[in-house]
Amino acid sequence: KNQVEQNPQSLIILEGKNCTLQCNYTVSPFSNLRWYKQDTGRGPVSLTIMTFSENTKSNGRYTATLDADTKQSSLHITASQLSDSASYICVVSAGYQLIWGAGTKLIIKP
Amino acid sequence: SAVISQKPSRDICQRGTSLTIQCQVDSQVTMMFWYRQQPGQSLTLIATANQGSEATYESGFVIDKFPISRPNLTFSTLTVSNLSPEDSSIYLCSVEDATGDYQETQYFGPGTRLLVL
Repeated sequence: KNQVEQNPQSLIILEGKNCTLQCNYTVSPFSNLRWYKQDTGRGPVSLTIMTFSENTKSNGRYTATLDADTKQSSLHITASQLSDSASYICVVSAGYQLIWGAGTKLIIKP
Repeated sequence: SAVISQKPSRDICQRGTSLTIQCQVDSQVTMMFWYRQQPGQSLTLIATANQGSEATYESGFVIDKFPISRPNLTFSTLTVSNLSPEDSSIYLCSVEDATGDYQETQYFGPGTRLLVL
């Protein structure tokens, strides 16, 4: 069964600190893996998208990694800001189907 | 990247009534998607709407409850019919479009927040 699991479910860190969010997947066939940021009350916004051959991709202070062998991905946020408070969702594309993770709710405290 | 707007942004409806949500995209796209996001949950795909053909519904969603129109390549509507409190959710419109590095990803509208009393 195609599944995407994210951990932790929620995370609280202090402003300026770094953090790493995890995504494990069992999806076949694998097309690409995406990370989205969803602010409260808004639609998700794409942060990164990686294909099978890509190991890492950055978007500003966000860096995503992909290990296709272990079927794991991480999203690292550097020097967190209050505006990083949001849900971060890992999505794996299996052909024409998108498998959505439940998301990690990140709270940045001043 | 595509820019998507939705109307209304929020609404409060009585049970048994219907709500029609509009989605407008600033460019022509082949496929548009409708999602539901229940409180505290991730997104669930309702249906895929292609211009000129019937929408394709996911398991658990039926056309009588969620009729969709797709009259052209920049516009779609989703109607949530015979509303019940369980329909209280955020409804999101989405399109697939190219990113700056020539990959496809989905862009989302701001969502319509529905509360059914």
